[in-house]
Amino acid sequence: EAQVTQNPRYLITVTGKKLTVTCSQNMNHEYMSWYRQDPGLGLRQIYYSMNVEVTDKGDVPEGYKVSRKEKRNFPLILESPSPNQTSLYFCASRYRRTGYSYEQYFGPGTRLTVT
Amino acid sequence: GENVEQHPSTLSVQEGDSAVIKCTYSDSASNYFPWYKQELGKRPQLIIDIRSNVGEKKDQRIAVTLNKTAKHFSLHITETQPEDSAVYFCAAFPPAGNMLTFGGGTRLMVKP
Repeated sequence: EAQVTQNPRYLITVTGKKLTVTCSQNMNHEYMSWYRQDPGLGLRQIYYSMNVEVTDKGDVPEGYKVSRKEKRNFPLILESPSPNQTSLYFCASRYRRTGYSYEQYFGPGTRLTVT
Repeated sequence: GENVEQHPSTLSVQEGDSAVIKCTYSDSASNYFPWYKQELGKRPQLIIDIRSNVGEKKDQRIAVTLNKTAKHFSLHITETQPEDSAVYFCAAFPPAGNMLTFGGGTRLMVKP
């Protein structure tokens, strides 16, 4: 089954304790992205990746890191989480534009609470 | 970069009525406009999309219209049902971009 997976689905942590949220897709998509969703603010892009070892900042990158060492995986790293990073996080992936669907597929989401 | 605005932020309709959600975009080069539905506690899922070379697209009770000149597009849901209650997001894809830019979302409530 074609899918995007994320782990963990729920996480409660304390300020300053490093954490990683994993994302994996099995559709051989080149593009992957992380979004955060906050009430009234919609989906805001954090980072995206166009292929292995190619990443770039989105609209709200502060406090986050990413890496893309393998095509299928795109982990989101919070080196020193703060309460304002409490949010619902979605990973998404899609094919490159040319010749394929533009559709973005989303993971199930990770609800993060930082106390 | 691309900026997408979505209205209204909340919409309440009676079952059986129609619902319309409107979005405007800023980048005239954007050429792909999807709509996603997000049910409570779930991931956004694509319900309909339209390319810039088409003015209207319909799929059963839902339709999307695009006005490239005015840079706006709309989602129309007819004969609404309680299961249509969800948050709907519009998005735009500019050729120079890499991922979708989303509007702020519309919470649709269909009252039985």
